[in-house]
Amino acid sequence: DQQVKQNSPSLSVQEGRISILNCDYTNSMFDYFLWYKKYPAEGPTFLISISSIKDKNEDGRFTVFLNKSAKHLSLHIVPSQPGDSAVYFCAAKDSGANNLFFGTGTRLTVIP
Amino acid sequence: NAGVTQTPKFQVLKTGQSMTLQCAQDMNHNSMYWYRQDPGMGLRLIYYSASEGTTDKGEVPNGYNVSRLNKREFSLRLESAAPSQTSVYFCASKSTPGGYSPLHFGNGTRLTVT
Repeated sequence: DQQVKQNSPSLSVQEGRISILNCDYTNSMFDYFLWYKKYPAEGPTFLISISSIKDKNEDGRFTVFLNKSAKHLSLHIVPSQPGDSAVYFCAAKDSGANNLFFGTGTRLTVIP
Repeated sequence: NAGVTQTPKFQVLKTGQSMTLQCAQDMNHNSMYWYRQDPGMGLRLIYYSASEGTTDKGEVPNGYNVSRLNKREFSLRLESAAPSQTSVYFCASKSTPGGYSPLHFGNGTRLTVT
């Protein structure tokens, strides 16, 4: 039973435009959410996170939005750059627990 | 600054063979984890070690054993490999087991069991 879902396996965006990656979760105990970026033949790299006490967190070109009532979060990348082309994983956890649950990933392609 | 180092990078085993995947971190983290990544499944937790001297099962522990050798090193052992264990294995660490800190991952071991 997938507790974190990324329903779009892939996304293509023109360079300079906005990329929006979506993620849904089912466990209401989750209170900490993260996005990881993964290049081929490398491990996932932490990108940005948000705790449930916030609804938005920004770090440069990356912004994560959290809608707790809808159990939905999204990652916005503005402007998108070719180097952003990678697989993006959404992850979530209960801060009192040890396991981090991952979605299946979305492959982002930024077209120059 | 190496972070999390995994060896080997690639491995091919025959069904029934055994092997140990090695992981070491140099960030003085207390907690270490083993995940596997399969197509269409995301990353799933196999075992973790919240602190030196402790280990616990994750979502998919069957067919695996782990050893927290010291604070730096956490190994994953397959006693009798099966084709279902063909996967990419990632080791990760974080400063504390719970709370609001991210996992730091190694670059993975790609294992094929024939």
